[in-house]
Amino acid sequence: DTGVSQDPRHKITKRGQNVTFRCDPISEHNRLYWYRQTLGQGPEFLTYFQNEAQLEKSRLLSDRFSAERPKGSFSTLEIQRTEQGDSAMYLCASSPRDEKTGELFFGEGSRLTVL
Amino acid sequence: AQSVTQPDIHITVSEGASLELRCNYSYGATPYLFWYVQSPGQGLQLLLKYFSGDTLVQGIKGFEAEFKRSQSSFNLRKPSVHWSDAAEYFCAVGAGTGRRALTFGSGTRLQVQP
Repeated sequence: DTGVSQDPRHKITKRGQNVTFRCDPISEHNRLYWYRQTLGQGPEFLTYFQNEAQLEKSRLLSDRFSAERPKGSFSTLEIQRTEQGDSAMYLCASSPRDEKTGELFFGEGSRLTVL
Repeated sequence: AQSVTQPDIHITVSEGASLELRCNYSYGATPYLFWYVQSPGQGLQLLLKYFSGDTLVQGIKGFEAEFKRSQSSFNLRKPSVHWSDAAEYFCAVGAGTGRRALTFGSGTRLQVQP
């Protein structure tokens, strides 16, 4: 049984560059989430997909951020024109169709460092 | 909107000592409550969860937590801490899907002294 996988695990980039993260959820899970976690803080909600539809976005997701889940399986999170404030751990999580409690299954995260 | 408060940013205990990490939540209905653990540079692993029923729930790695509705608390406990328990611990309240799925506290970093 494979869990949620994220790639790359670490990314160092220069300010102004674009970066893309990929998330592969647990195969039978139709719900997919992205969270951001900065140093010393708990994860904060960014966006939520049900199948291929992006149903919710946080105000944290500025117009430089775009997330997709084109076929309802894997998802990508792209950050354009990165800024130092984008440095964080980006966590992907998934949950099954009938989950009502909010329980999420998390990947290992993608750590972004913007120089 | 739901919220979670973890009053202790950092706790240090000696190996073999008991542990209690505090968590207070705010939510208008019966909450779903979770504790997750995060080792350095890693993702989040679920330790335990409370949905309903018995207010004392058992989790993995010898952890337990007690739900107290009157105090809006869900404190995590372990009778005897091991060095491998050093990590960051997050309490969260769940309320369905989307942005309400999980709201996390700011975490408590546990350090274990030999």
